[in-house]
Amino acid sequence: AQSVAQPEDQVNVAEGNPLTVKCTYSVSGNPYLFWYVQYPNRGLQFLLKYITGDNLVKGSYGFEAEFNKSQTSFHLKKPSALVSDSALYFCAVRDNTGRRALTFGSGTRLQVQP
Amino acid sequence: GAGVSQSPSNKVTEKGKDVELRCDPISGHTALYWYRQSLGQGLEFLIYFQGNSAPDKSGLPSDRFSAERTGGSVSTLTIQRTQQEDSAVYLCASSLGTAFQETQYFGPGTRLLVL
Repeated sequence: AQSVAQPEDQVNVAEGNPLTVKCTYSVSGNPYLFWYVQYPNRGLQFLLKYITGDNLVKGSYGFEAEFNKSQTSFHLKKPSALVSDSALYFCAVRDNTGRRALTFGSGTRLQVQP
Repeated sequence: GAGVSQSPSNKVTEKGKDVELRCDPISGHTALYWYRQSLGQGLEFLIYFQGNSAPDKSGLPSDRFSAERTGGSVSTLTIQRTQQEDSAVYLCASSLGTAFQETQYFGPGTRLLVL
């Protein structure tokens, strides 16, 4: 079975400061990890994914994520937060054992204060 | 190019009525997924289509839910005899293929309210 945990319902950060949104996962096979962002009344927008190779993945809008196999984590990071980054962030996973659907975390609301 | 489109964007219905939600995937994408986003349950997988293969219906919550995909493109999700607990945002996604690393691209969703 696959599962994803996003331990923080909300993360608050000041504009210009670095941000981290946490994600841990559990899968049977090799993990494929994704981050999506959702703005109010919008669908999910793809940010980045980890497939294999470099543990540091760079994505859209200056976001990056670090894959850590030993800690089964895939935290989302950005060196300098913008007010416009305020949104709901979802981590998702699937593995290579069969099911094609993504399993999502519960979401973390990021609030960037000016 | 055009992304995934869904219609209607909002739907209000009365308990017991049937509703149909439509999804138009990105052109050339062979895989299509339906998910449901609700306050209590988060994002849940409903059903998945890939080409002419039998769909994966393992996420459908009850037999009131069904979906079809015509001509390998447009998909319709039907909810019969709607209940208040069906109120949610229904999201459609498509991907180029079915490889595990494929990115799913989401539409804007249909917000369903059952009164």
